[in-house]
Order: sequence, then structure tokens, then C-alpha cells
Amino acid sequence: ILNVEQSPQSLHVQEGDSTNFTCSFPSSNFYALHWYRWETAKSPEALFVMTLNGDEKKKGRISATLNTKEGYSYLYIKGSQPEDSATYLCAFSRDGQNFVFGPGTRLSVLP
Amino acid sequence: EAQVTQNPRYLITVTGKKLTVTCSQNMNHEYMSWYRQDPGLGLRQIYYSMNVEVTDKGDVPEGYKVSRKEKRNFPLILESPSPNQTSLYFCASSLRVGAEAFFGQGTRLTVV
Repeated sequence: ILNVEQSPQSLHVQEGDSTNFTCSFPSSNFYALHWYRWETAKSPEALFVMTLNGDEKKKGRISATLNTKEGYSYLYIKGSQPEDSATYLCAFSRDGQNFVFGPGTRLSVLP
Repeated sequence: EAQVTQNPRYLITVTGKKLTVTCSQNMNHEYMSWYRQDPGLGLRQIYYSMNVEVTDKGDVPEGYKVSRKEKRNFPLILESPSPNQTSLYFCASSLRVGAEAFFGQGTRLTVV
């Protein structure tokens, strides 16, 4: 089974702070890396689908970068807001069919 | 409204009693999959399907069966549930292989 790691496991930031977290995955046979946002008592929702080395994606205050050669992706949140509080998941795939999720980074934004 | 619908949302059952968790999507998606979520672990893929009558094992398929007789439905079957299958289950669908997944609301299953 492939190993996908995320760090940190959890973090607390103040409203207005910018933050970032890491997803590490195998650097061989890359097909896709997905980021999802999972709020408590809801279902995971897709943030980004990343497929090319060097990809940079942005949605509002959230952005992500991808380095497939070294096997990592960063998720950045600029000016964190309380509504950003959630668990952020990454999912790695070598074929677009079988996805391995990381354990997630739990973000708490304090007002 | 485009959605993935799972039923039931909550289920408590006894060891050995066969059960089915249904999953239906109304987006004409080709790809569907099932995951389980356990504390401290990431979502783990149980089974997936690329299209009608095409299913394949994920990382944790033991004790589960699936079928894909119609494009919209992808039920998860536990023939003889055991307590170690107590978990939160998610069904997901994607327009095609590799595309973003849309998740159902989740089914919390307890096997006693």
C-alpha cells in the first residue's frame, strides 16, 4: 500500500494569519494529486485536481503547488478565516482509479 | 440538484447479518468508489468502478462486495459483517477517471 503523509497533523492559527501544509507522496509513476476540504459533520469537497509537475492552482485565498519529482504538494491559505476551519486531505493516484488519501491536516482558525 | 446519495445514514447491526448500503448519483458519472474512514487513518478505498459491470478492488476490499449494474448505482454489500467493519463509509463519484470526486453524506455503521 502506498504511503501518503500530511504535516502537520493539526494546527491552530489566529484569524488573519496565513498558513501552509504539506502532502508527501511517492515520487514515481505519478498520475494525479487531489486536495479536499472536509468540514466536521459534512462530506469532503474537492479543492484542486493537480496533474502536472509545477502546477499551481488557486481558488480565492487558497492555493496549491505540486512537485512530482520530489513527491510533495503544498496547500496555502492566505488570511485565514474561522470558516476555513476544517480538515484538509490530499489524495494521490498512480492511475486515476486507485486513490490513497493522507491522514489529513486539521486546521482551527481562532477568531 | 447534482448529488451523491447514500442510504442509510446510520445503521447499527449485529455480527453476521447481511446488509447493503446504497449509493446513487444523478450526474451521469462514469467512475464511482467506496471508502471507509477510521480514526487516525485516512480515507481508505474499498472498491471502485470505472463503468457499468467494471469493478476493481481498492486497498481494503476484504469482507465487502460491490456491483455496478447501472451507471447511477453502486451498492456496497457486507455479506457477514464483523465488528472490525464498524466505520464511517463514503461513496464518491467522478465524471471520469482521475477527475475530482463528489462525496455522499456518509454512512455510519456499527456492528455489534
